[in-house]
Amino acid sequence: QQPVQSPQAVILREGEDAVINCSSSKALYSVHWYRQKHGEAPVFLMILLKGGEQKGHEKISASFNEKKQQSSLYLTASQLSYSGTYFCGTGDSGGYQKVTFGIGTKLQVIP
Amino acid sequence: NAGVTQTPKFQVLKTGQSMTLQCAQDMNHNSMYWYRQDPGMGLRLIYYSASEGTTDKGEVPNGYNVSRLNKREFSLRLESAAPSQTSVYFCASSEARGTKSEKLFFGSGTQLSVL
Repeated sequence: QQPVQSPQAVILREGEDAVINCSSSKALYSVHWYRQKHGEAPVFLMILLKGGEQKGHEKISASFNEKKQQSSLYLTASQLSYSGTYFCGTGDSGGYQKVTFGIGTKLQVIP
Repeated sequence: NAGVTQTPKFQVLKTGQSMTLQCAQDMNHNSMYWYRQDPGMGLRLIYYSASEGTTDKGEVPNGYNVSRLNKREFSLRLESAAPSQTSVYFCASSEARGTKSEKLFFGSGTQLSVL
């Protein structure tokens, strides 16, 4: 079952912040975040493992609340290069190596 | 390093034809995956292979078969293509093994059209 992402789309002005949420009905062992630009393959941003950790990648960070079966991706001081579709992928009790993706959040950063 | 290589990049089939999408990785990864991507549907898992010699169904396996030929290669076969299988197909691999999850590396994709 696909994790649920919200919002489905968001438009930001350069410098603004955004939060993308990902939730699952299953117990999660891992959460992955990827960004995909139009016509390209998804590119890895970060992975969070069971333990409630928060990770950072430049001005992009994420949290994982395993009790709530949720993860959030935080984009601060957005840049034009942040535009793209963001996907969360989850590993759950259905199989440690099985990674199931949400439908994505389309993010557009405008000048 | 080539990473994950998919062939072909583009393919047009007629309904009922068969074909095999090839995927190879040179990173000595244990796990390999096939996803399809359709507008508004995100990335949907077709099949995955957690290790050489094993394959498991994902969310949308109907109409597809897979073979993990060896550690490097994981192929996806459409026995009788249908227009509903028109999609972009991505192969991915990961170092993940056992209970440890690792990031996925994606190939550049195959654009498949079934007429």
